[in-house]
Amino acid sequence: AQRVTQPEKLLSVFKGAPVELKCNYSYSGSPELFWYVQYSRQRLQLLLRHISRESIKGFTADLNKGETSFHLKKPFAQEEDSAMYYCALSASGGSYIPTFGRGTSLIVHP
Amino acid sequence: ETGVTQSPTHLIKTRGQQVTLRCSSQSGHNTVSWYQQALGQGPQFIFQYYREEENGRGNFPPRFSGLQFPNYSSELNVNALELDDSALYLCASRPTGTPTDTQYFGPGTRLTVL
Repeated sequence: AQRVTQPEKLLSVFKGAPVELKCNYSYSGSPELFWYVQYSRQRLQLLLRHISRESIKGFTADLNKGETSFHLKKPFAQEEDSAMYYCALSASGGSYIPTFGRGTSLIVHP
Repeated sequence: ETGVTQSPTHLIKTRGQQVTLRCSSQSGHNTVSWYQQALGQGPQFIFQYYREEENGRGNFPPRFSGLQFPNYSSELNVNALELDDSALYLCASRPTGTPTDTQYFGPGTRLTVL
């Protein structure tokens, strides 16, 4: 079985502060990890995928197989980063059937 | 926005009733997935359809069923509604030829079961 844990329901920071949204997973096979974001009154959308190893809107995430983690990081938070963030896992190859975490609400104060 | 629409926006039903939720995608979006999102939780995968055939299913009972039509629309049907079925139901579609993790989400239908 696959499981995704986001331990923080809410993360509150000030503008300019570093941000780290935690994600831990449990999966016996080879996982693919993703971060999704949902801004206020907008639809759920993909933020980044670990296989792309890219930075999107200043956010990065590194897959750490030893610690089974895929934390999302940004060195300097902006007010427009305030949103709901979901970590998701899918088995590599085949159909995309994701397992989502419960989400972390990020609030960036001015 | 991607043109994925869902109807209705909100719906109230009573326990034991049946409900049909609808999703409309753009031309060329041959894969559609449905998710249930309970309050305070992340989306939970229900099933996926490709070219009108179910090709993946999550841990949901058979009273959750779906249909996909040639005009890129789809339906989620839930029979014998239970109180725990109250949730936001999301559909997401994928254009053919894009990576399998490409998904364009709709705005959702909020179902309340009394």
